[in-house]
Amino acid sequence: EAGVAQSPRYKIIEKRQSVAFWCNPISGHATLYWYQQILGQGPKLLIQFQNNGVVDDSQLPKDRFSAERLKGVDSTLKIQPAKLEDSAVYLCASSFVGQETQYFGPGTRLLVL
Amino acid sequence: AQSVSQHNHHVILSEAASLELGCNYSYGGTVNLFWYVQYPGQHLQLLLKYFSGDPLVKGIKGFEAEFIKSKFSFNLRKPSVQWSDTAEYFCAVNQNFGNEKLTFGTGTRLTIIP
Repeated sequence: EAGVAQSPRYKIIEKRQSVAFWCNPISGHATLYWYQQILGQGPKLLIQFQNNGVVDDSQLPKDRFSAERLKGVDSTLKIQPAKLEDSAVYLCASSFVGQETQYFGPGTRLLVL
Repeated sequence: AQSVSQHNHHVILSEAASLELGCNYSYGGTVNLFWYVQYPGQHLQLLLKYFSGDPLVKGIKGFEAEFIKSKFSFNLRKPSVQWSDTAEYFCAVNQNFGNEKLTFGTGTRLTIIP
């Protein structure tokens, strides 16, 4: 079974530029999560979708971050404009509805200069 | 708000030594508990999980964890570590409502010396 796919794996941008990350969850997983993992910390949830609806975006910095999951499958996370403190690994995870176990993708490592 | 504490930031052991990594959480309700592992260059993988029932849970690769409700703890153990166990270990918790977000600890880096 294919796992959670993410791209790109690495991205280097300058501050104030924009960047987008893509995630394709495991087939059949209706719930999708985006986490931010800053160096030396555990992952922190940014946004959670169930199908194409937002379940929790309470920790998403909405002035610069946005995310969508238009068809209830793939998802994109965008940062515009990026700040130095956005340097982190952005992880996508997915799960079946009603299932507690989340499966993680390889992440996108972002460096903002 | 729930939180997770992992007190050991970096643990260094020799092969065949016994391992115990601490994890404490703060939340008064019913929780699910997880240990995830991240091997060098790889993505987060589930090591084991506790939802209910027997508080001693066994996971992959000889790992186990014990849920002690009175201590709000879910420590990870392995009787004899191998060099291949070198990785970062994260404890996580979510509320037992279904599809709830995970709250992670800061992780413990484990280095095994051959």
